Amino acid sequence: QVQLQESGPGLVKPSETLSLTCTVSGGSVSSGNYYWSWLRQPPGKGLEWIAYIHNSGTTNYNPSLKSRVTISLDTSKNQFSLKLTSVTAADTAVYYCARGAGWYLYWGQGTPVTVSS
Amino acid sequence: QSALTQPASVSGSPGQSITISCTGTSSDVGAYNFVSWYQQHPGKAPKLMIYDVSNRPSGVSNRFSGSKSGNTASLIISGLQAEDEADYYCNSYASSNTYVFGTGTKVTVL
Repeated sequence: QVQLQESGPGLVKPSETLSLTCTVSGGSVSSGNYYWSWLRQPPGKGLEWIAYIHNSGTTNYNPSLKSRVTISLDTSKNQFSLKLTSVTAADTAVYYCARGAGWYLYWGQGTPVTVSS
Repeated sequence: QSALTQPASVSGSPGQSITISCTGTSSDVGAYNFVSWYQQHPGKAPKLMIYDVSNRPSGVSNRFSGSKSGNTASLIISGLQAEDEADYYCNSYASSNTYVFGTGTKVTVL
């Protein structure tokens, strides 16, 4: 059974960079034809897809966030990561990592991130 | 890339069937058979209920089914049960390898 776990700071200051890591267990991020994604959900609002990465290195980003987002894979640690620059209060959300692109069978539990000074 | 439109709320009595619609455009829902549906209970991660319009993952009750007509996809829950009370979100491929979610629907079991 594949399991995912997000980690990172719960509080980020405005204009700084949000960095999150997703650790995968029960499967390898470097094997199989799988995509690995980040999604988020602002408080009381709906889900938003942020980005995905394939183990071939292929990446794709939500056009509304593309200029501020980087997704990367660390096969040695069986992790993938998200960096979101120049954050504002609008980036306050629960951030989820998941396996897949388009449909997501395995999800992390989510990690809340607040942007505030 | 605008969010897909879902009704804010749908309700039904136990045992009844309800339908949740997800309306997009000819550039997303109408163009591809890549619609998925998620159930989310408060404070929990979403759970995949339907993928590729009408396919159920292993372990998901056959009371949940999906369909699509034109630019609108639908999730049908039959034999409504108390445990089905949750938020539901649709998701669609939206060209250029991007994806868009629906606005979400709160299902209430009366």
